[in-house]
Amino acid sequence: RKEVEQDPGPFNVPEGATVAFNCTYSNSASQSFFWYRQDCRKEPKLLMSVYSSGNEDGRFTAQLNRASQYISLLIRDSKLSDSATYLCVVNTNAGKSTFGDGTTLTVKP
Amino acid sequence: DTGVSQDPRHKITKRGQNVTFRCDPISEHNRLYWYRQTLGQGPEFLTYFQNEAQLEKSRLLSDRFSAERPKGSFSTLEIQRTEQGDSAMYLCASSSSGGNYGYTFGSGTRLTVV
Repeated sequence: RKEVEQDPGPFNVPEGATVAFNCTYSNSASQSFFWYRQDCRKEPKLLMSVYSSGNEDGRFTAQLNRASQYISLLIRDSKLSDSATYLCVVNTNAGKSTFGDGTTLTVKP
Repeated sequence: DTGVSQDPRHKITKRGQNVTFRCDPISEHNRLYWYRQTLGQGPEFLTYFQNEAQLEKSRLLSDRFSAERPKGSFSTLEIQRTEQGDSAMYLCASSSSGGNYGYTFGSGTRLTVV
């Protein structure tokens, strides 16, 4: 079993739709959590950190459930430019990041 | 400072040859990480440094792989006696201590072993 698991998708949604991605992690000692975005043949870029209280950045909302070891990302009012692979990332106390294999989103006109 | 730089961007090599990649991190970041990524997979951890000290190596990193970070600045990753299975994108990232603010990645070096 992988340390960080994501539904690979693909998720194909129309512009303006709301879409949610989920991620589970196995290491209960994990300390910090992130979502990264990766465009095709590009490097991953940090999208947002994920806090226990939940956090929002514009159209993006991230949630963490430590008890269930579950992380989510919600994208509202999807834009064509949101099409990418979204990587769920978990850090141990040592600071090393473990990446999921990503969920692919395609937003269509 | 223009972010994390990696060189070369692309490398094609014959099986059995040695290759070396370079990474220049963001100057104020003391942590430097190497990851490998293949198509359809997330980045896989290889090794990381805090300043010049190599703190952890993945068991994925066979004895053909070695990484250095002399003087705690740039880092090199060398692969000896390359194999076709080494073909991948090699990503370097840097962060401030602990990485709890996330990483900044370089554009990667795409290695093709023929």
